[in-house]
Formats: sequence, structure tokens, C-alpha cells
Amino acid sequence: GQQLNQSPQSMFIQEGEDVSMNCTSSSIFNTWLWYKQDPGEGPVLLIALYKAGELTSNGRLTAQFGITRKDSFLNISASIPSDVGIYFCAGQFEGGKLIFGQGTELSVKP
Amino acid sequence: GAGVSQTPSNKVTEKGKYVELRCDPISGHTALYWYRQSLGQGPEFLIYFQGTGAADDSGLPNDRFFAVRPEGSVSTLKIQRTERGDSAVYLCASRFEGGTGELFFGEGSRLTVL
Repeated sequence: GQQLNQSPQSMFIQEGEDVSMNCTSSSIFNTWLWYKQDPGEGPVLLIALYKAGELTSNGRLTAQFGITRKDSFLNISASIPSDVGIYFCAGQFEGGKLIFGQGTELSVKP
Repeated sequence: GAGVSQTPSNKVTEKGKYVELRCDPISGHTALYWYRQSLGQGPEFLIYFQGTGAADDSGLPNDRFFAVRPEGSVSTLKIQRTERGDSAVYLCASRFEGGTGELFFGEGSRLTVL
């Protein structure tokens, strides 16, 4: 099935460091979203972006919707142990259908 | 409960058997989505419903997979003649048509085909 190109695949960082991950697509989306998934759970929405060029923050998280509408990045500042998990980008089509990236697995060392 | 409910949470079956996975969406959500997630991958779209009808079933991998939502609420994903490659977590999500239209996911049904 179709997936977005998300990088990096995994990151091992020290507590307090900043993290950046990004996502690219060959398709244009009207909405980009970033999700976090913990083991045994479904994905949970972190940030939604609705306009090209939009920069949105949610606490220590900041995400941007690329001008071309084919890419997005997510930054996490001052990481803490509970940030551990798998982060997914997703592009949303009309009707709500989501296409996901392959995920970035984040490990935070205290 | 208030969230998307999926049953069973775990299902182990033998190759060739028939399996049904159930999704109970959030009350009032008219759109319902099924995704499949293999280990180390992002969720892959299978099918979505608007009310009782399948609005887009382009992600169903083959004709062994079928889903229904007869009353526009609960949905059942049906897999016939299961194969080992069908082993995955099957996620369901629902969405309220309006507002931000966020998808809310259930915890998934983990299917293992031996």
C-alpha cells in the first residue's frame, strides 16, 4: 500500500536534546498530521496542519506544513523520557482517508 | 466506553480459517476506517465507510478481505482463508464529519495466523 517517506527511521537521543523528523510525499495533501503510537495502543493525534506554510506548536512540539504541500516536519524540544514511542506523519485526503509514513522510533536516554 | 472499541484484542488462528474482527466506533461518528499495521510499519489503509456504504475500498488487498457496516455503526472486517501474511494489527478509527475531522483510533486487534 501507499506510504509516505519518513526519516529518520529511528533516533537515540539524550534527555534534554531536541529532535527533528520529516516526511515527504509525491502527492499533494490538504492536511498533514503527526501521530504518536505507544506499544499496544492505537495512534494518537499530536498536531494537525491545515494550510501550506503553516507552523503550529503544541507544548514542546512544533510542526510545519511545507509550502509545496508535499512535505512536513516535526520538532520536539527538550526531550523527556515519556517522549519515547513511534511517531508517524500522515497526509489526509478529502473524506478523511489517511496515508501514513513508515514511522520514526524515538528512544530517550535519561 | 467513550473511545473506539475493537474486539478481540488478540486472535490466533490457523492458516485457511475464517476470521471476523469487530469495531465499535465512537457514538455519533459517521465515518469509520480500517487500517492494517505490520511490524515496524505505519498503518496501511484498507477501507472506509460513510454511514453504511463503503466510500473507498481501494486498500483491500484481495477478495479474501471484506468489511460491512450494516447499520452505520459497528463494523466487521472479515478475512476468509487466512494466510500467514495476514498476520498484523488491524486498527479501526472513526471520525465525526465536521470540525477538525480528527480520526480517533482503537487499540487494534492483533491477528496471528499460524
